[in-house]
Amino acid sequence: SQQGEEDPQALSIQEGENATMNCSYKTSINNLQWYRQNSGRGLVHLILIRSNEREKHSGRLRVTLDTSKKSSSLLITASRAADTASYFCATARTGQNFVFGPGTRLSVLP
Amino acid sequence: DGGITQSPKYLFRKEGQNVTLSCEQNLNHDAMYWYRQDPGQGLRLIYYSQIVNDFQKGDIAEGYSVSREKKESFPLTVTSAQKNPTAFYLCASSPQYGGNEQFFGPGTRLTVL
Repeated sequence: SQQGEEDPQALSIQEGENATMNCSYKTSINNLQWYRQNSGRGLVHLILIRSNEREKHSGRLRVTLDTSKKSSSLLITASRAADTASYFCATARTGQNFVFGPGTRLSVLP
Repeated sequence: DGGITQSPKYLFRKEGQNVTLSCEQNLNHDAMYWYRQDPGQGLRLIYYSQIVNDFQKGDIAEGYSVSREKKESFPLTVTSAQKNPTAFYLCASSPQYGGNEQFFGPGTRLTVL
């Protein structure tokens, strides 16, 4: 299975702090994506990083990918209470379906 | 939730009944997907459709059925054969099938009474 596995399962931080969550997977991939889900809502795409890329930025988000370790990290800088959500990584291979991990539940305390 | 609608938001079903969840998109996407999410877990793929008039089983298709007669619509029927149907159901679409960004609907929460 190429299942992504996020770590930690849950994370609580204070507003203004940085939040880091990790994703590990088992097989080679074409790209890895991070999604956010607010409680009881659909998922929202945050960022996609391709297998030949090592780092991408989008606003306060920074994603890294280490294909040798089969792992990725999502960093949210200067967190806000509105960042409270579950974050999922999804791995993709050409011609195959996404595989989502179980997610990291982030709580940002005001 | 960008161009994908799901209805109803909440659905209650008695045991032994079939129910159909609606998913409509106006993004002109070829591919559509149905996922199931259980509390504290990730998404599991039920069915997917690469193009209109085509669909394929995902990882947990037993007890479910779909149709794709129109490009914009991909309804999911939860049949009485599904042993544990209480869950949150998410529909998604993407421009083409494959590893591109998926766009998700707001979800339907199904509860079996």
